[in-house]
Amino acid sequence: RKEVEQDPGPFNVPEGATVAFNCTYSNSASQSFFWYRQDCRKEPKLLMSVYSSGNEDGRFTAQLNRASQYISLLIRDSKLSDSATYLCVGRIGNTGKLIFGQGTTLQVKP
Amino acid sequence: SQTIHQWPATLVQPVGSPLSLECTVEGTSNPNLYWYRQAAGRGLQLLFYSVGIGQISSEVPQNLSASRPQDRQFILSSKKLLLSDSGFYLCAWSAPPLYEQYFGPGTRLTVT
Repeated sequence: RKEVEQDPGPFNVPEGATVAFNCTYSNSASQSFFWYRQDCRKEPKLLMSVYSSGNEDGRFTAQLNRASQYISLLIRDSKLSDSATYLCVGRIGNTGKLIFGQGTTLQVKP
Repeated sequence: SQTIHQWPATLVQPVGSPLSLECTVEGTSNPNLYWYRQAAGRGLQLLFYSVGIGQISSEVPQNLSASRPQDRQFILSSKKLLLSDSGFYLCAWSAPPLYEQYFGPGTRLTVT
């Protein structure tokens, strides 16, 4: 079983739609979680950290459920520019090593 | 603010040739540094990470090596490239407490 698992998609949604991605992790010792965004042929970029209490940044909301070991990302009012691959990421221990999921591809259509 | 540089941006090398990719970070001291490879259509594979000068940990056995000769410089090398070494090579840095990683623009390597 992969340490961080995501549905690869693709998720095809119309502009303005709300879309949610879920991610599960297997290591209960995971300490921190993040969502990264990767555009085609570009480097991953940090979208947001995920806090236990949940956090929101504009149209993006991230939630962490430690009991069920899953993380979610909600995107409201989708824009064409949101089309990308979204990577769910966990950190284990204090080395700073991150475990990346395979990514979920989002295509927002006009 | 911190910035991370990688070069070259693209590289085409024949099988059996050597490789040297360089990564430098500005605006931070004693960062953790990482080398990843991403094969076409695949996820990120951690190759090496370093918590300090001269301290390198290898994640996967292969014909690649890494070195950290200075605090903010990380080098990925190979003596003889294989076809399977083709991919997108990414350098990243992080720092406590959250260890969020920030990536360089990457080097796209094609071994022919």
